[in-house]
Amino acid sequence: QQQVKQSPQSLIVQKGGIPIINCAYENTAFDYFPWYQQFPGKGPALLIAIRPDVSEKKEGRFTISFNKSAKQFSLHIMDSQPGDSATYFCAASPSAGGTSYGKLTFGQGTILTVHP
Amino acid sequence: SQTIHQWPATLVQPVGSPLSLECTVEGTSNPNLYWYRQAAGRGLQLLFYSVGIGQISSEVPQNLSASRPQDRQFILSSKKLLLSDSGFYLCAWSWRGQEAFFGQGTRLTVV
Repeated sequence: QQQVKQSPQSLIVQKGGIPIINCAYENTAFDYFPWYQQFPGKGPALLIAIRPDVSEKKEGRFTISFNKSAKQFSLHIMDSQPGDSATYFCAASPSAGGTSYGKLTFGQGTILTVHP
Repeated sequence: SQTIHQWPATLVQPVGSPLSLECTVEGTSNPNLYWYRQAAGRGLQLLFYSVGIGQISSEVPQNLSASRPQDRQFILSSKKLLLSDSGFYLCAWSWRGQEAFFGQGTRLTVV
């Protein structure tokens, strides 16, 4: 019930394409859903995050879509660039007040390659 | 602004040797601190987290231990390393919230 399932494992798109990465969860106590971007040999960097009270959040070229009833959320990268090539992780965290507050459960990651 | 420092960046240690990885956070007080391990460049597994000095919670049984001797210092240790301890170790912090910010990681190779 603590798992976050992420797909696909890898994704190749051409420059300007719109890669979509999907995640699904089971634990209904999750109420915070961030996405992280990681370049080789570096730590993950927080990219964008969403809470269940909204169905979509956009920051620049990155958009999170959230479907609370289906317990799914996804990351869309508009007008993708070669510099977006990285590993992307979704994650989820329980709500405040419990002993698990602030602890992130991560998906397995998606390796994105954007060809010029 | 807040910053997180991890060192060393890379480490090669023989089997059976001790380990000490250090993480410090600047620019905040009483952060939550976390140690994660990332195997084979994928998936992050939470190893330990701490909500205050001397308060450590372990998420998975293993050959490692953690300590928090000061408010903004988090240490990952082992008395005797195993081959299976090789991986990419990441320290992270959050402050009374769910946003977690990661350090640059330590690549540990046990030989």
